[in-house]
Amino acid sequence: DAGVIQSPRHEVTEMGQEVTLRCKPISGHDYLFWYRQTMMRGLELLIYFNNNVPIDDSGMPEDRFSAKMPNASFSTLKIQPSEPRDSAVYFCASSWGADTQYFGPGTRLTVL
Amino acid sequence: DQQVKQNSPSLSVQEGRISILNCDYTNSMFDYFLWYKKYPAEGPTFLISISSIKDKNEDGRFTVFLNKSAKHLSLHIVPSQPGDSAVYFCAAREVGRALTFGSGTRLQVQP
Repeated sequence: DAGVIQSPRHEVTEMGQEVTLRCKPISGHDYLFWYRQTMMRGLELLIYFNNNVPIDDSGMPEDRFSAKMPNASFSTLKIQPSEPRDSAVYFCASSWGADTQYFGPGTRLTVL
Repeated sequence: DQQVKQNSPSLSVQEGRISILNCDYTNSMFDYFLWYKKYPAEGPTFLISISSIKDKNEDGRFTVFLNKSAKHLSLHIVPSQPGDSAVYFCAAREVGRALTFGSGTRLQVQP
């Protein structure tokens, strides 16, 4: 049974470029979460969805960040334009009922 | 305002001994607590959890203890193995909200 799938695993881009991170949650899960991990801030919750609807996006750092969940099996996190301080590992997680979350392998983003 | 705190950024233990990782929280509305383990270049993986109605939950070598009056939980690993070397995150949930994670403790188990 596949876990949470994220793509790409690594992304290197230049400042000002648009970056799109993708996530496929575990089938049947009704919650999806986007996190960012940095040395300074640890694991930060950016946004989460319940049944494809955004519930809390208070962790999204700026308007440059946006997330969508067009259906139950796909979500994207977009950064436009990207900046060097956005460099981090971005995790997607999913759960049934907002309890135990299952994380994807993460996308390591480097913005030059 | 950190609602979940892991005050020890790192811990080193000898193989075979007990590892004790600690976590403190401030929100009395938290009703469910979890521990996650994270290896480098991987996502966090769920390890063990405990409901606020219990004070202990055990799964093999891993035991989580909850002291609600002190707002403190701990993870005990006995015996510790080199493969347990990882970063451990505690997390807490308030009903209707997403999990709140601590900053993590890096455990190093020396052979």
